[in-house]
Amino acid sequence: DTTVKQNPRYKLARVGKPVNLICSQTMNHDTMYWYQKKPNQAPKLLLFYYDKILNREADTFEKFQSSRPNNSFCSLYIGSAGLEYSAMYLCASSRGTGETGNTLYFGEGSRLIVV
Amino acid sequence: QQQVRQSPQSLTVWEGETAILNCSYEDSTFNYFPWYQQFPGEGPALLISIRSVSDKKEDGRFTIFFNKREKKLSLHITDSQPGDSATYFCAASASNNRIFFGDGTQLVVKP
Repeated sequence: DTTVKQNPRYKLARVGKPVNLICSQTMNHDTMYWYQKKPNQAPKLLLFYYDKILNREADTFEKFQSSRPNNSFCSLYIGSAGLEYSAMYLCASSRGTGETGNTLYFGEGSRLIVV
Repeated sequence: QQQVRQSPQSLTVWEGETAILNCSYEDSTFNYFPWYQQFPGEGPALLISIRSVSDKKEDGRFTIFFNKREKKLSLHITDSQPGDSATYFCAASASNNRIFFGDGTQLVVKP
């Protein structure tokens, strides 16, 4: 089973309110990623967990939080949503060991609309 | 600065033709280049990949050509089928688990 599941699939949030997106995988993968995808733009890496170590990209460091309570689950947390957060959020996992060449398995995405 | 660039943004070909999707990158430390295919309503899925030690990778109708000197690569889809209609993302990574994607090429194959 190579399924990565994301919840919710759709989220409508008010400006200034928090948002929590959940991702799960049952492949016992070491690494879990969160990407932000806006129309006609590249998926943008926000952060990733390698085992229990969180790595956040410098330009989104203060905007997104994450937790990984166990190997299977990873969350993406926005403390105060702004209109610019409206996007598709893609979770992925890989059997990452620090070497390249590991396949990313993506979920179907969580579409966030902030109004 | 965008690390990976793709062209064209959209491409339409007839069934049976060869579709050519282009990709270029900035960081010379990138050594692994996967292409992901995404259908509407689904997440991207790995289609084919190449390492920088190779200049060509073939898998059925899909072939990657890689030019390390020019930091360019291309995905050729021969005998294109309507079922190949999707968005194709070129990606690149070095040795630190960070994988960067291009904007994607939306391919339409007309029957």
